[in-house]
Amino acid sequence: DTAVSQTPKYLVTQMGNDKSIKCEQNLGHDTMYWYKQDSKKFLKIMFSYNNKELIINETVPNRFSPKSPDKAHLNLHINSLELGDSAVYFCASSPGQGANTEAFFGQGTRLTVV
Amino acid sequence: AQSVSQHNHHVILSEAASLELGCNYSYGGTVNLFWYVQYPGQHLQLLLKYFSGDPLVKGIKGFEAEFIKSKFSFNLRKPSVQWSDTAEYFCAVNESRGGSYIPTFGRGTSLIVHP
Repeated sequence: DTAVSQTPKYLVTQMGNDKSIKCEQNLGHDTMYWYKQDSKKFLKIMFSYNNKELIINETVPNRFSPKSPDKAHLNLHINSLELGDSAVYFCASSPGQGANTEAFFGQGTRLTVV
Repeated sequence: AQSVSQHNHHVILSEAASLELGCNYSYGGTVNLFWYVQYPGQHLQLLLKYFSGDPLVKGIKGFEAEFIKSKFSFNLRKPSVQWSDTAEYFCAVNESRGGSYIPTFGRGTSLIVHP
């Protein structure tokens, strides 16, 4: 069983469209994250949720809206897509309560905006 | 804020060469340090972590890292690399924010191992 699964794996879309990426974890973790990895492989935190509550919103444009229907799911909806949104988006989860706990990552969604 | 920095952005080695990737952290208090690896086209996975105890930490696939508090460093090492070690390597710290811990990553080091 995949611990953190996100869909789709690849997403190609035109500028101005709205798209969603889904993420589910079956690890029973309380905390989930969305990261953006740019073309230089830099990983930047976008959002963090703990038990369905938003903890961190890292100055991400309002066009990005995360939604956590329950603590096992954290979806990412993006409105009015722009060329600069092209990147790989990673969902991750962790127990969240201990500083020494690692994060578990999904396979990533490669978003290409044309 | 806690952060890590990686100074080697690109490393190219031949098989059987020894590897050392640098990581420095900024926080002087209790730290929790991690090394993650991202193989081509794959997700990040944990190599090893340190939070207390023996400063020499052993991880998967023959990797180890040494926590040196006086140097604020947590360098990753492997005595003899293989072609399959070609990957991106990320040093990370769990930063305390908003009552939770946020994995915060260095810029990564791209390792290419030639057969």
